[in-house]
Amino acid sequence: SQELEQSPQSLIVQEGKNLTINCTSSKTLYGLYWYKQKYGEGLIFLMMLQKGGEEKSHEKITAKLDEKKQQSSLHITASQPSHAGIYLCGADILNAGNNRKLIWGLGTSLAVNP
Amino acid sequence: EAGVAQSPRYKIIEKRQSVAFWCNPISGHATLYWYQQILGQGPKLLIQFQNNGVVDDSQLPKDRFSAERLKGVDSTLKIQPAKLEDSAVYLCASSLSFGGANTGELFFGEGSRLTVL
Repeated sequence: SQELEQSPQSLIVQEGKNLTINCTSSKTLYGLYWYKQKYGEGLIFLMMLQKGGEEKSHEKITAKLDEKKQQSSLHITASQPSHAGIYLCGADILNAGNNRKLIWGLGTSLAVNP
Repeated sequence: EAGVAQSPRYKIIEKRQSVAFWCNPISGHATLYWYQQILGQGPKLLIQFQNNGVVDDSQLPKDRFSAERLKGVDSTLKIQPAKLEDSAVYLCASSLSFGGANTGELFFGEGSRLTVL
């Protein structure tokens, strides 16, 4: 199974609706990254969370880190077509060799219908 | 500030041929990453450099893939010979550092899309 699970895998919402994407790690988190990717393009940084309970916002996107649950949620308020794309979470964890490592979820594909 | 530069953007080759990708990270970034992203999947780390030393290459198929970062600045990733399953986007990223108190944002290039026929 994936070390980093993202859900849902895909999402279609009506413009103006709110939505939440979750990212859960099976390993202890040292940091959690959220990126957005459009087809054929590189990853665009959204936010990085490092402390338990930390919450960051950028425009209409808010991300929270629940250290105890080893989970982060990304919430988009009043979605717009410009929010469409693939949202990827990346986790800074300790690997089997006790080295820090960055692993990635499979992504959540978001479509926003006007 | 200039971003991470990658070339070529697109490459089509036949199986068993070779290909090389180039990456120029953001100036001053010590950590450089090469990722392979297959359609529908998240990025998979191939190799991570800290300056010109290799930090992690555990998922690099060393029988056909090689990478170097001479002088700790730009880097090349080579595939020789290519297989059909190597068709993917190869992403280069850089960061100031990773794994310590100064761990921060990774900046990604636009990627090099490889198609192996």
